[in-house]
Amino acid sequence: GNSVTQMEGPVTLSEEAFLTINCTYTATGYPSLFWYVQYPGEGLQLLLKATKADDKGSNKGFEATYRKETTSFHLEKGSVQVSDSAVYFCALWTGAGSYQLTFGKGTKLSVIP
Amino acid sequence: DTAVSQTPKYLVTQMGNDKSIKCEQNLGHDTMYWYKQDSKKFLKIMFSYNNKELIINETVPNRFSPKSPDKAHLNLHINSLELGDSAVYFCASSQDWQGPGYTFGSGTRLTVV
Repeated sequence: GNSVTQMEGPVTLSEEAFLTINCTYTATGYPSLFWYVQYPGEGLQLLLKATKADDKGSNKGFEATYRKETTSFHLEKGSVQVSDSAVYFCALWTGAGSYQLTFGKGTKLSVIP
Repeated sequence: DTAVSQTPKYLVTQMGNDKSIKCEQNLGHDTMYWYKQDSKKFLKIMFSYNNKELIINETVPNRFSPKSPDKAHLNLHINSLELGDSAVYFCASSQDWQGPGYTFGSGTRLTVV
């Protein structure tokens, strides 16, 4: 079956530090890949996505590149801010007819001033 | 304008009670979902409905009964609530055939005491 594996959290960084959250996946075919963010007390928001190999998704200074050869979609940001503190979820979608997103377990990020 | 709205936002109830959570989307999407997020933030699909038809029922106890009166609504009724049902429940919608543009509601925090 399909699955997503994310690095265990929590991750605590100082402001302006470099962020990497690892994500690898197992899926049949060619899935689309996503990062969602959940701020405290809120629902999930789409952060970025990539629909095919070598695509790079980017938004709000975050980036992730779809690497088919390593089945990975690592999230990076060059300089984190306190406002980036949230839970980050990697997810995959295997196409029309799948009727679901498969999520990783989430990684909690805390950024301290 | 709220795209996916859930009510109530918080629900505290006693074991054995029956409760409902309502979800409405105004995006014109044809697919709606219920996800459960446990205390460790893990998100798991419960149900998917496409054009009012149940597509996915992911090994959820039959105390949970979704109802979709039309494409814009997907309600969740839970009978005989148990302590283990305490979680945050998220509704979401998408236009499945167009790709995974999932939009999530802000969640309903259910606490069973």
